[in-house]
Amino acid sequence: EDQVTQSPEALRLQEGESSSLNCSYTVSGLRGLFWYRQDPGKGPEFLFTLYSAGEEKEKERLKATLTKKESFLHITAPKPEDSATYLCAVQAPDGQNFVFGPGTRLSVLP
Amino acid sequence: GAVVSQHPSRVICKSGTSVKIECRSLDFQATTMFWYRQFPKQSLMLMATSNEGSKATYEQGVEKDKFLINHASLTLSTLTVTSAHPEDSSFYICSARGPGGNTIYFGEGSWLTVV
Repeated sequence: EDQVTQSPEALRLQEGESSSLNCSYTVSGLRGLFWYRQDPGKGPEFLFTLYSAGEEKEKERLKATLTKKESFLHITAPKPEDSATYLCAVQAPDGQNFVFGPGTRLSVLP
Repeated sequence: GAVVSQHPSRVICKSGTSVKIECRSLDFQATTMFWYRQFPKQSLMLMATSNEGSKATYEQGVEKDKFLINHASLTLSTLTVTSAHPEDSSFYICSARGPGGNTIYFGEGSWLTVV
């Protein structure tokens, strides 16, 4: 069964304190790994798609990396506005289903 | 591009009534849309997968007769909560498979409160 886990469940950082969020997955034949940001009371906002091990993508203070078993979302010098829940998801080999992880709630304190 | 819109964003209905939530892909055609439910501080729970022109595929434990899904066109899917009860109160989110089919984009979500 395809599974996605994320750690930590919650993370509190001081503004400027860099860190990484982890997404581990078990799926045979990964078709894509996705990162989303979700603010309270809103739908998730698409951030990145990664397709193969070794791939990296960046957007402002965020950088996503992918290995064969996990992905990391690195946050460099975060700001309070980066506070949100970060979700990762994998696309199953059949291309139909997307399996979501439980998310990491990030709080960045000023 | 790849914008998904939901309506209404908030709705309050009386217990026993039905309420419809719309999900539209604004700038692309979506053959597949997904409906989720989310409780506070919890992750997304997939309710059903909606394919244009065919019956929706419901996840285990989701009542088909209670949560009616219709995907009548390539840009619109609707979720109707029938005979709503207070325990149906939740945040409902739709998503659509974007152009190319490899990424899904989410709507803004709809808060349902049943009183």
